Amino acid sequence: GIQVEQSPPDLILQEGANSTLRCNFSDSVNNLQWFHQNPWGQLINLFYIPSGTKQNGRLSATTVATERYSLLYISSSQTTDSGVYFCAVTRNTDKLIFGTGTRLQVFP
Amino acid sequence: DVKVTQSSRYLVKRTGEKVFLECVQDMDHENMFWYRQDPGLGLRLIYFSYDVKMKEKGDIPEGYSVSREKKERFSLILESASTNQTSMYLCAAGRTNSYEQYFGPGTRLTVT
Repeated sequence: GIQVEQSPPDLILQEGANSTLRCNFSDSVNNLQWFHQNPWGQLINLFYIPSGTKQNGRLSATTVATERYSLLYISSSQTTDSGVYFCAVTRNTDKLIFGTGTRLQVFP
Repeated sequence: DVKVTQSSRYLVKRTGEKVFLECVQDMDHENMFWYRQDPGLGLRLIYFSYDVKMKEKGDIPEGYSVSREKKERFSLILESASTNQTSMYLCAAGRTNSYEQYFGPGTRLTVT
């Protein structure tokens, strides 16, 4: 099956810093989503991005499907950005395969 | 946006009890999913359903069953709870072939 790897596993930032999170996947995919899991455990949809670039406020994402990776950019980070970021993919099925996650801690 | 709700945020049950976790979505999506999340193991799919009364096993169905009598509601059943079922349970909903899924707030279940 498809393997989904995320890097870095952990990231510590000071408020105001920028960061890039990476998601590599081992085969072609139909869908790629980025989620933020907040400290209470809820998964919040950030982007649905099987290819191309999208932006939403301080966050943006780029997926290069032909090279099998996606990047999530967080600019001017805030303490509320803390949590775990997951990418997840599907391939010819409705079942999501999740990456291992990047744990982000933003300090004031 | 799709809203997915789960019946409890926190639940404590005893070993051997029958446990029902309920999930409701408000956007008429065909597909619904149950995952569990454990430290070091990530999110794993337990069961999913692509239509009323239809279900398919995910990666870890042992010890669980599901019920989908109405399109908006998907229940996860632990027939006889065990301590190794202590976990965070997450429900999701999505449209067939759109592949995008929306998650509920999660239920932290502790079995003692």
